[in-house]
Amino acid sequence: SYVLTQPPSVSVAPGQTARITCGGNNIGSKSVHWYQQKPGQAPVLVVYDDSDRPSGIPERFSGSNSGNTATLTISRVEAGDEADYYCQVWDSSSELVFGGGTKLTVL
Amino acid sequence: QVQLVQSGAEVKKPGASVKVSCKASGYTFTGYYMHWVRQAPGQGLEWMGWINPNSGGTNYAQKFQGRVTMTRDTSISTAYMELSRLRSDDTAVYYCARVGQQLVLVGWFDPWGQGTLVTVSS
Repeated sequence: SYVLTQPPSVSVAPGQTARITCGGNNIGSKSVHWYQQKPGQAPVLVVYDDSDRPSGIPERFSGSNSGNTATLTISRVEAGDEADYYCQVWDSSSELVFGGGTKLTVL
Repeated sequence: QVQLVQSGAEVKKPGASVKVSCKASGYTFTGYYMHWVRQAPGQGLEWMGWINPNSGGTNYAQKFQGRVTMTRDTSISTAYMELSRLRSDDTAVYYCARVGQQLVLVGWFDPWGQGTLVTVSS
């Protein structure tokens, strides 16, 4: 089965840039979607189709995808961005896969 | 606005079944695939399967085949997920999530339901 690998945690100071990676075999050939989940809340879509942003999501959130790594980039990080982030793809084996999640800590 | 509202928390004994509902509003229920995802306490997201609300067709993750049944009632714009032969490791928050694009089987999920906590304990 297809596996997506995320770092368990990323820490960044306010105002800096956070980069959260999602590794998978030839993930660049797939569409990657990213979700933000705050404690006690349902996930919220922040980036879809590698790099598109839903309405209402700040421009500070962006995404890229190439080769074996997709990346969610959060610029000018704010305290309110502290959350768990998950990547998601659909595998050709007809299974939907999530990464293990990354906890973003704002120092 | 587009909204998914799920049923309330459940406590079940091992071996029992649970049925969670997900009521949709603000869009054409039959036009969008619905998926179910669960999250055990302190753990990540786990995909369970999907239902086509128009045809009733389903596909389940291999892990849950034989134990999960997804259905829908188009007259009340509601999808259901029933999980049988519950075990303690089925304790989790269960989410319904709508695919973001009309008539597309898989893509991004937007929106999600608020989640339903199912606790399995003797």
